[in-house]
Amino acid sequence: AQSVAQPEDQVNVAEGNPLTVKCTYSVSGNPYLFWYVQYPNRGLQFLLKYITGDNLVKGSYGFEAEFNKSQTSFHLKKPSALVSDSALYFCAVRAFGAGNMLTFGGGTRLMVKP
Amino acid sequence: DSGVTQTPKHLITATGQRVTLRCSPRSGDLSVYWYQQSLDQGLQFLIQYYNGEERAKGNILERFSAQQFPDLHSELNLSSLELGDSALYFCASSERAGEITDTQYFGPGTRLTVL
Repeated sequence: AQSVAQPEDQVNVAEGNPLTVKCTYSVSGNPYLFWYVQYPNRGLQFLLKYITGDNLVKGSYGFEAEFNKSQTSFHLKKPSALVSDSALYFCAVRAFGAGNMLTFGGGTRLMVKP
Repeated sequence: DSGVTQTPKHLITATGQRVTLRCSPRSGDLSVYWYQQSLDQGLQFLIQYYNGEERAKGNILERFSAQQFPDLHSELNLSSLELGDSALYFCASSERAGEITDTQYFGPGTRLTVL
């Protein structure tokens, strides 16, 4: 069975500082990894995905994520946080043999303080 | 705005009742997925339809059912509602049958409150 872990319920960072939201996964075979963001009273918005190729994936709103196969991680990063980045972030994984199901982590709340 | 629409935004009902949630996918998308988001269970995949046919099933209760119509909109029917069914229900869509690399685009959700 595939699974995703987001070890931090909340991440606090000051505006202008770099941010990292952690994600680790467990799958059989190659992982296909996704990050989504959920703002209050809104649906999930797609940020980026890793399919194959370059381990550093660039996405929307200046976010990027680094795929590390040996550590089974896919951490979300941004060089300089904005207050408007404050939201709930979800990591998700798909793998062959698990149908079309996206398995989500529990989410990490990012709080960016001015 | 993802292009996926869901109605209604909010629904308040009583235990034992039946409700229908509606979803319209992005223009051109053939797959529709339903998810439930609750505080204790997190985000859970319920069911997927592709071009009118059920394609994949997740943790969907027998009291719940869904269908996708010829115009590709989908409805999720929840019956014999229990307090524990209170949650945010999301619809997502993707272009194809759900190839592993496909991105799913989510609607704004329907918040269901069962009293």
